Amino acid sequence: AQKITQTQPGMFVQEKEAVTLDCTYDTSDPSYGLFWYKQPSSGEMIFLIYQGSYDQQNATEGRYSLNFQKARKSANLVISASQLGDSAMYFCAMRAFYSGNTPLVFGKGTRLSVIA
Amino acid sequence: GAVVSQHPSRVICKSGTSVKIECRSLDFQATTMFWYRQFPKQSLMLMATSNEGSKATYEQGVEKDKFLINHASLTLSTLTVTSAHPEDSSFYICSARDKPGGAGDTQYFGPGTRLTVL
Repeated sequence: AQKITQTQPGMFVQEKEAVTLDCTYDTSDPSYGLFWYKQPSSGEMIFLIYQGSYDQQNATEGRYSLNFQKARKSANLVISASQLGDSAMYFCAMRAFYSGNTPLVFGKGTRLSVIA
Repeated sequence: GAVVSQHPSRVICKSGTSVKIECRSLDFQATTMFWYRQFPKQSLMLMATSNEGSKATYEQGVEKDKFLINHASLTLSTLTVTSAHPEDSSFYICSARDKPGGAGDTQYFGPGTRLTVL
């Protein structure tokens, strides 16, 4: 079974600063994927970034980057140059690839508040 | 990216009635759809995995007879909350995958349905 742990219930960051949202995971499967989603107050889940367990380089997507440390089983999300619109819930998720249709398993989330 | 729609976005019903929520993949065929439930300020909890043309696989603790899932076509899955009670009030989110489960494939989410049972 997979488990995702997000230890920061809430985070504050000053506008234009960088912020790191923590995520650790646990799985016995050698092949898996790690995902980050943003959920604004409207409720929609917005895909941000993906990291495969065998990817050699850390994933980056615009202002988002994933600090993947496989030995530590951590997949922290780094948001650079924070914007007011970044205020939302952020969920780390993972999926094992041992069979085709395994679902995403989510952490409890971190609420990010960007301060002007 | 691919689009998943849900209808209705918001529903209020009386206790004891049944409510149907539709989830559609608009521009791709979804062989697998997932139904999640989210209580306020909590994470998404998987309820069931739905494969087109076969019975849904429910997570432990989810009542099959209460949460009926039908995945009749590659673009439509429905969740029916039967005899709804106030404790069923929640945010229900569907999700669809456009590939059979390869590494890195994205799971697209619908906008969610907020159910309030009076």
